[in-house]
Amino acid sequence: SQTIHQWPATLVQPVGSPLSLECTVEGTSNPNLYWYRQAAGRGLQLLFYSVGIGQISSEVPQNLSASRPQDRQFILSSKKLLLSDSGFYLCAWSIGTGGNQPQHFGDGTRLSIL
Amino acid sequence: AQSVSQHNHHVILSEAASLELGCNYSYGGTVNLFWYVQYPGQHLQLLLKYFSGDPLVKGIKGFEAEFIKSKFSFNLRKPSVQWSDTAEYFCAVNTGTASKLTFGTGTRLQVTL
Repeated sequence: SQTIHQWPATLVQPVGSPLSLECTVEGTSNPNLYWYRQAAGRGLQLLFYSVGIGQISSEVPQNLSASRPQDRQFILSSKKLLLSDSGFYLCAWSIGTGGNQPQHFGDGTRLSIL
Repeated sequence: AQSVSQHNHHVILSEAASLELGCNYSYGGTVNLFWYVQYPGQHLQLLLKYFSGDPLVKGIKGFEAEFIKSKFSFNLRKPSVQWSDTAEYFCAVNTGTASKLTFGTGTRLQVTL
């Protein structure tokens, strides 16, 4: 069966420091991969999605970037964190291109910027 | 761009009460619709989905949702809630573009004993 792993679960970083959050999927090939940010009262905001290795689409302008160095690995990064980057970050995967396949979510990373 | 509205932000019900959570979307074309649930301390899970056929879909744990195209709605229902249904519920829409989902802001359901 397919599984998705996100780490770390929680992270406290100072303003201006770099960031690297990792997400890996097991048990499937060529998944679509997604990074979301979940803010209280604002639902989930799609940040990036990827349909293949090296293919990244950014949904909103921001201080973050994403990379997909391997088929089942998706990384969320920043060179210099801002206070506004605090939040709960979720990785998800799906298969197919028709849009009727559900997304499956990881446990998330809670990021606090001090 | 499509958007999803969940007008009930926080709902408090007693056990055995009936539940209906509203979800409206704005998009004139073909849509795929989802409800996700996030129980306290757990990850988001799929509750049910609609993409074609019978507009009344049944999901896990006794939940169902009805797609009404003319109203652009996909409301979630359950005849009798349980304390264990306490969670946050998210409606989401996909318009077939690269499987991207647009989520509503979520409804926090609190079921009291």
